[in-house]
Amino acid sequence: DTGVSQNPRHKITKRGQNVTFRCDPISEHNRLYWYRQTLGQGPEFLTYFQNEAQLEKSRLLSDRFSAERPKGSFSTLEIQRTEQGDSAMYLCASSLGRMMNTEAFFGQGTRLTVV
Amino acid sequence: DQQVKQNSPSLSVQEGRISILNCDYTNSMFDYFLWYKKYPAEGPTFLISISSIKDKNEDGRFTVFLNKSAKHLSLHIVPSQPGDSAVYFCAASAYQAGTALIFGKGTTLSVSS
Repeated sequence: DTGVSQNPRHKITKRGQNVTFRCDPISEHNRLYWYRQTLGQGPEFLTYFQNEAQLEKSRLLSDRFSAERPKGSFSTLEIQRTEQGDSAMYLCASSLGRMMNTEAFFGQGTRLTVV
Repeated sequence: DQQVKQNSPSLSVQEGRISILNCDYTNSMFDYFLWYKKYPAEGPTFLISISSIKDKNEDGRFTVFLNKSAKHLSLHIVPSQPGDSAVYFCAASAYQAGTALIFGKGTTLSVSS
């Protein structure tokens, strides 16, 4: 297993268009997280899944954002009607939900630019 | 409202010396703390962690100290090497409550040779 994989690595889109990103976690990991990072900030939590269940969503996740994790494997993050403020690095991470072992392993991210 | 704060945006250290990166948190529910390292154009990489039942955890050149009463933790790197130059993020979670990681804004460490 080569770790967490995210596609695409870069996405440029026009304002108002919809975009979808994909994350393939480490295969045995049951938790999957989406974060967003803008310049000069740390990763900001968006949402996370335990298996196929979406357990928590941040207030940052407006109704234009939707995430899925069908069958508890890969996940997709869709942004509808993109705005320039959505430009950021979108990071996916996965972890094993064991007691006191919550190290999350991150992918390389998808950089979104909305023009 | 920032629950995890890294008040020093940058730190410069000479090779061989100690680097000390600091982190403060406000949420008393946090019970698990992690440090991540990030190079440009890459995702954050896990470095070291500590649970709230400990006050110190060591892994090679990296040691994390936790002071629960002060809600403060620090990462010590000894000796610092040029390859340690990166952005370091402090993160915390309330694992017992099942919440995800909350990150600070990061500290950029520069180690000069």
